[in-house]
Formats: sequence, C-alpha cells, structure tokens
Amino acid sequence: DTAVSQTPKYLVTQMGNDKSIKCEQNLGHDTMYWYKQDSKKFLKIMFSYNNKELIINETVPNRFSPKSPDKAHLNLHINSLELGDSAVYFCASSPSFRGTEAFFGQGTRLTVV
Amino acid sequence: AQTVTQSQPEMSVQEAETVTLSCTYDTSENNYYLFWYKQPPSRQMILVIRQEAYKQQNATENRFSVNFQKAAKSFSLKISDSQLGDTAMYFCAFMNFTSGTYKYIFGTGTRLKVLA
Repeated sequence: DTAVSQTPKYLVTQMGNDKSIKCEQNLGHDTMYWYKQDSKKFLKIMFSYNNKELIINETVPNRFSPKSPDKAHLNLHINSLELGDSAVYFCASSPSFRGTEAFFGQGTRLTVV
Repeated sequence: AQTVTQSQPEMSVQEAETVTLSCTYDTSENNYYLFWYKQPPSRQMILVIRQEAYKQQNATENRFSVNFQKAAKSFSLKISDSQLGDTAMYFCAFMNFTSGTYKYIFGTGTRLKVLA
C-alpha cells in the first residue's frame, strides 16, 4: 500500500541509451515532483507538475522529459544518457494546500556506465 | 531566491545523549513552512517534524523538537535520548508557493551518526 511508488529502484545502463522511470501516487495529491540527489546527497528540484500541467522546470537539460498522463502519475524519460546523469532520482507528491510535507518515493538509483 | 544552509556536514552523538542540528534559511516571505526530513541508509525520505512560520510555539514530536527563531531565520533540530536508529542524513527544507505551485527547497544535509 505504498503512497508514492517508483519503478525501477535500480537502473544500470550504458551511455547514450534512453531510459524511463515511472512514478505513481495513491494519495490523491494534485502536485508531483522530480528531484535529483547527487553523489554529495544534495537534493535539487527538477520538475513540478500540478494537475498534469508542467509548472516548474529548473533549467534541466531537454534530454529529460517528464510526462504526466494523469495527476496520479509522473514519469521521467531521459534520452542520450550521460555519465553525469548518474544519481538518485526521487519522485514526490503533495496536496495543493500549505503546510503539508512532500511525500517521497523510495528513489531510483541510476548508474550510467 | 530562497536558500537553505546546513553548516554541519557530519555530526556524531553517543547513544542516549542529545544532539542539535543547525539550519538557517533566507527568504523575504512572511508565511512559509519548514521541515526536517530524515534519510536513513534505506534511502527513503521520512518526515521528522514540521513548523509553521506563523506559529511562535516550537514544534515537538516525541524525542524531536525544533528551535525556531524567525527573526534570525534559524530552524534547528534537537534530538533527545538519541537512538542507534537515528543514524541517518537529516535535511532541513523550506516550502514556499511560487509560480503557481508549492516548492520544497532542501539544505545540503547533515550526516548524523549515533554511537553505541
């Protein structure tokens, strides 16, 4: 009964490949996010969607393309993977009112070799 | 732009002792929310405690409490009676409403090790 679930948990792939990470939340939240956690554990927002609409794009390379088919899902597709894309990617969701924390998925560790 | 600073990259504490993790932030807003998250080795981000900026009273959750100093823009986390299971990365986070959505900004984290 996971609130925010991501698949896969681990992803190892070669440079130049294209890969996708899927995220689903069953909390009924309107807003979903993608965060990137680098090797120094720094968490940086990449994208935010509200009711399937892209709201925040934090100057992420256009090789990264989020897609939200409905407000419960937010997938991340990455084209032409580079070594520097290796990181842990977190999906999160929150309701559309103040004061509530973001709920995170378990993260996807992406390793590009 | 809002920023969150955690000046202690690593800390350690003896089991059963008390430890305080520091966090400062910068914002021009008056209404906002602050959080502490815990990230154990399992990688899962777990909410520890939240604080509303408009409330003067410091939030507490069992062994966890905060010292919120709004004028100083400081939001420290105190862990009492530290347990081995408290070993984790701790992230301070600031939430604001921008560009039509809520945005959570995280500090760089403090790695806490509880020693037996």
